[in-house]
Amino acid sequence: EPEVTQTPSHQVTQMGQEVILRCVPISNHLYFYWYRQILGQKVEFLVSFYNNEISEKSEIFDDQFSVERPDGSNFTLKIRSTKLEDSAMYFCASSDLLAETYEQYFGPGTRLTVT
Amino acid sequence: EDQVTQSPEALRLQEGESSSLNCSYTVSGLRGLFWYRQDPGKGPEFLFTLYSAGEEKEKERLKATLTKKESFLHITAPKPEDSATYLCAVRNSNYQLIWGAGTKLIIKP
Repeated sequence: EPEVTQTPSHQVTQMGQEVILRCVPISNHLYFYWYRQILGQKVEFLVSFYNNEISEKSEIFDDQFSVERPDGSNFTLKIRSTKLEDSAMYFCASSDLLAETYEQYFGPGTRLTVT
Repeated sequence: EDQVTQSPEALRLQEGESSSLNCSYTVSGLRGLFWYRQDPGKGPEFLFTLYSAGEEKEKERLKATLTKKESFLHITAPKPEDSATYLCAVRNSNYQLIWGAGTKLIIKP
């Protein structure tokens, strides 16, 4: 069964450093998303991406964040200068635009720890 | 403001003891209500989508129902492997998913 994959599973970085989180969405999906979940808190929407551009973004997704689809399979989230409060699980998701139910399929997540 | 509230926060049941989880919502232009299961340290796993009041979906021991203000996830004769956090999310008119905080379900053998 096709699945969304994410690497790395755990990333430890120092405050102020840049990190890139990587995702490989399901191959025939057209919409891609990033979410974050701070430990013990709700899942929060960051950004959605379609046709090589951002379609929606939340207030969390400020100038420190960027997304890119560098090739036909990868989808990345870059945080330019990490802060302690960026520590969270980051989930990538994808959905098939043509699917009747538009459900989003999630990857296993990357745990980002900023020290 | 779009909002999703799930109750209870946590629920402990004996194996075989049926119960229901609640998701109440206020949203501008509902474009679907979604139930996900999340195991510790894992990503949410899709369970159901509901679009209109009166709709019901079933999968194994789980059944989801929808009214104009809330959704219920009924679990019948649960097993320990059903233990997880169950998340509810609604998609608003901007096609954004608004998430609830989840219900942590623990099934004791």
